[in-house]
Amino acid sequence: SQTIHQWPATLVQPVGSPLSLECTVEGTSNPNLYWYRQAAGRGLQLLFYSVGIGQISSEVPQNLSASRPQDRQFILSSKKLLLSDSGFYLCAWSGGGAFEQYFGPGTRLTVT
Amino acid sequence: GQQLNQSPQSMFIQEGEDVSMNCTSSSIFNTWLWYKQDPGEGPVLLIALYKAGELTSNGRLTAQFGITRKDSFLNISASIPSDVGIYFCAGQGTDSWGKLQFGAGTQVVVTP
Repeated sequence: SQTIHQWPATLVQPVGSPLSLECTVEGTSNPNLYWYRQAAGRGLQLLFYSVGIGQISSEVPQNLSASRPQDRQFILSSKKLLLSDSGFYLCAWSGGGAFEQYFGPGTRLTVT
Repeated sequence: GQQLNQSPQSMFIQEGEDVSMNCTSSSIFNTWLWYKQDPGEGPVLLIALYKAGELTSNGRLTAQFGITRKDSFLNISASIPSDVGIYFCAGQGTDSWGKLQFGAGTQVVVTP
């Protein structure tokens, strides 16, 4: 069966510091991968998605970037965090031509 | 772009009551999905719908893909305390392959 992992689970970072969040998927090959941000427990905003290694599409211009160095690894990064980057970051995957997306447990980021 | 409206925003119900919520879109969707999110966790897929008019059940949950392909409904029968959470609808439009658009969520609170 497929599983999706995210780490860290929680993170507190000062403004201006770098960020790296990691997402990995097990039990599937060549998944589509997605990064979402959720503010105040409502409304998922799609940030990036990837259909393959090295292929990244950005949905919203922002302070963040994404990379996919391996088939089942998706990384969200920032060089300098802003207060507005605080939120709940969710990674998701879909595969096999299906449109269902399956979410990871999320990372709670607080920028101070 | 497409707009997805989910209602109601919140519901306070007594244990044993039925719950209904819906989503409407400004344009046609090919797929409707319903998710439930518990506090501090990632959304969990409840039901996926792929055909107009389709009615699908998952235990006490029943969802329908509207005939016009612009709406979907989720019903929860005989609510229990563990039904508490935020329910999200999501749709995949005709011009957004692989990407989902999410509703703002319905907060369900169940009182004994």
